[in-house]
Amino acid sequence: NAGVTQTPKFQVLKTGQSMTLQCAQDMNHNSMYWYRQDPGMGLRLIYYSASEGTTDKGEVPNGYNVSRLNKREFSLRLESAAPSQTSVYFCASSEPLGQYFGPGTRLTVT
Amino acid sequence: EDQVTQSPEALRLQEGESSSLNCSYTVSGLRGLFWYRQDPGKGPEFLFTLYSAGEEKEKERLKATLTKKESFLHITAPKPEDSATYLCAGGGGSNYKLTFGKGTLLTVNP
Repeated sequence: NAGVTQTPKFQVLKTGQSMTLQCAQDMNHNSMYWYRQDPGMGLRLIYYSASEGTTDKGEVPNGYNVSRLNKREFSLRLESAAPSQTSVYFCASSEPLGQYFGPGTRLTVT
Repeated sequence: EDQVTQSPEALRLQEGESSSLNCSYTVSGLRGLFWYRQDPGKGPEFLFTLYSAGEEKEKERLKATLTKKESFLHITAPKPEDSATYLCAGGGGSNYKLTFGKGTLLTVNP
């Protein structure tokens, strides 16, 4: 039982490049989430998926797209990376008792 | 707009010196108040969920309590291994979308 896994762990992009962050959970949770964490800003919700086949915008969705591929997998895509997207990205999945987070992806955009 | 405010931003304790962390919240339709622990370079680790005013939960040296406007995380006789950032979050709505505070950085000196 791995919980929530994320790939890659680290990534450096140049401005304008694109990439997809992958997330998978093996806890059979319906809801999945993408957050970014920046110093002094806390965790901010980018997108979430309440169930397979649905996605909704969170607090800071601009510059991102998501895909809920199936119940297990939820990916986050940066189409044209910008330095403002330098951050640590966390995926989470939830049941009513709490959200469970992955180990994070540290992304630097130069 | 939902808001969660944590205080203090940082707290330094001596080993064995008990104290409390505060979380004030304004969350529409609060379904649960969540506490997490985050170690450097890692994802948040779920600690507690509190559902209603007056509820208390304990885990080792930690006890979380909830009122209608605040939650407290009491740390009794802390040890250096309790050093971490503690995050509070309010969850509202059927999909448990969370609003996070910015966290309290706890340092426990031996």
